[in-house]
Amino acid sequence: GENVEQHPSTLSVQEGDSAVIKCTYSDSASNYFPWYKQELGKGPQLIIDIRSNVGEKKDQRIAVTLNKTAKHFSLHITETQPEDSAVYFCAAASTSYGKLTFGQGTILTVHP
Amino acid sequence: NAGVTQTPKFRVLKTGQSMTLLCAQDMNHEYMYWYRQDPGMGLRLIHYSVGEGTTAKGEVPDGYNVSRLKKQNFLLGLESAAPSQTSVYFCASSFYNEQFFGPGTRLTVL
Repeated sequence: GENVEQHPSTLSVQEGDSAVIKCTYSDSASNYFPWYKQELGKGPQLIIDIRSNVGEKKDQRIAVTLNKTAKHFSLHITETQPEDSAVYFCAAASTSYGKLTFGQGTILTVHP
Repeated sequence: NAGVTQTPKFRVLKTGQSMTLLCAQDMNHEYMYWYRQDPGMGLRLIHYSVGEGTTAKGEVPDGYNVSRLKKQNFLLGLESAAPSQTSVYFCASSFYNEQFFGPGTRLTVL
């Protein structure tokens, strides 16, 4: 089955800096790659996603890039703010039932 | 719309006890999922359903059973709880790819 590796496990940045989280996947059939943000005591919430026919997608301060050849994708957050502090998960899906395989998560801390 | 709701929010069980976690969604989604979240391991799929009356095993199904008698509800059962089942459980639903998650149930098995 699919295996998703996520790095780093923790990331600490100063407000205004950029943050990058990277994931690799194993199943070349995977075609959908979402990123979720989880705040303390809450369920994960989708913040951005990308499909395998697209190399990059942006939404304001958040961007995701996908390299299908290398089987990796990355989340980029620019101009970080304290409210960006949370746990971020990448995931990959390769079936039509929407089953996701998640990475291990990255704890992002943005210091004011 | 309430989205995805889960009951209860917290529960403490003794080893060997049984319980059922309830997930409800009001978005008319066909697909529903149960995950467990443990530190450093992300979210792992326990069971999922692709429609009313259907269920299928995920990555870590042992020790759990599920039922989807109504489209809007997905139940997760633990017949004989074990300390290894101490975790936070999340339910999610989707129309296709984007999954919407509930607030979670924190379960402790002593």
